[in-house]
Amino acid sequence: ETGVTQTPRHLVMGMTNKKSLKCEQHLGHNAMYWYKQSAKKPLELMFVYSLEERVENNSVPSRFSPECPNSSHLFLHLHTLQPEDSALYLCASSQEDRGTEAFFGQGTRLTVV
Amino acid sequence: AQSVTQLDSHVSVSEGTPVLLRCNYSSSYSPSLFWYVQHPNKGLQLLLKYTSAATLVKGINGFEAEFKKSETSFHLTKPSAHMSDAAEYFCVVSDQNTGFQKLVFGTGTRLLVSP
Repeated sequence: ETGVTQTPRHLVMGMTNKKSLKCEQHLGHNAMYWYKQSAKKPLELMFVYSLEERVENNSVPSRFSPECPNSSHLFLHLHTLQPEDSALYLCASSQEDRGTEAFFGQGTRLTVV
Repeated sequence: AQSVTQLDSHVSVSEGTPVLLRCNYSSSYSPSLFWYVQHPNKGLQLLLKYTSAATLVKGINGFEAEFKKSETSFHLTKPSAHMSDAAEYFCVVSDQNTGFQKLVFGTGTRLLVSP
């Protein structure tokens, strides 16, 4: 248990559906992240929130929409996804400081049909 | 820009033999380096980290890594593999110019341990 909890663990959705992924951290960290892990590709950083403000958006398609209502919660809203968006989505948190590590949740396995 | 190269996509060892997972990095700044492990259907767990203190870093489960600036390497080792070590291992470099952890991941090395 890393202190970062993601729900749901598994999600199957159609291309016309709207769903949300949730991440919660109990570590008192002030930065939260969404990563995408696809087969045979390096982990891709999607979004970063630092002190509840989005500070990084790595050219992610607009069908992915993040939300950070407070420093403990992070959401990823999904709509009109494509099959190639099927992947493991990992949430992480860290404290803004040199050398501190990021703590990861167990991920949401998303399948788009 | 930072980058990480994990030289082997798969490493196979027998239980009880040494483990070596290789990692080379590129960084314009004094880097922070990490090794994470991912067991099947699990998230990533930190094994160890280097943050400009001692160059030989000891982590959990008997793993250690040595930071070699002259070789730009941060290889992960363990004297004796255990069956439970079978997993995917990621070498990671952090961009410290940002306030948050902008982690750059390698492509991963899958460690297979046979009895």
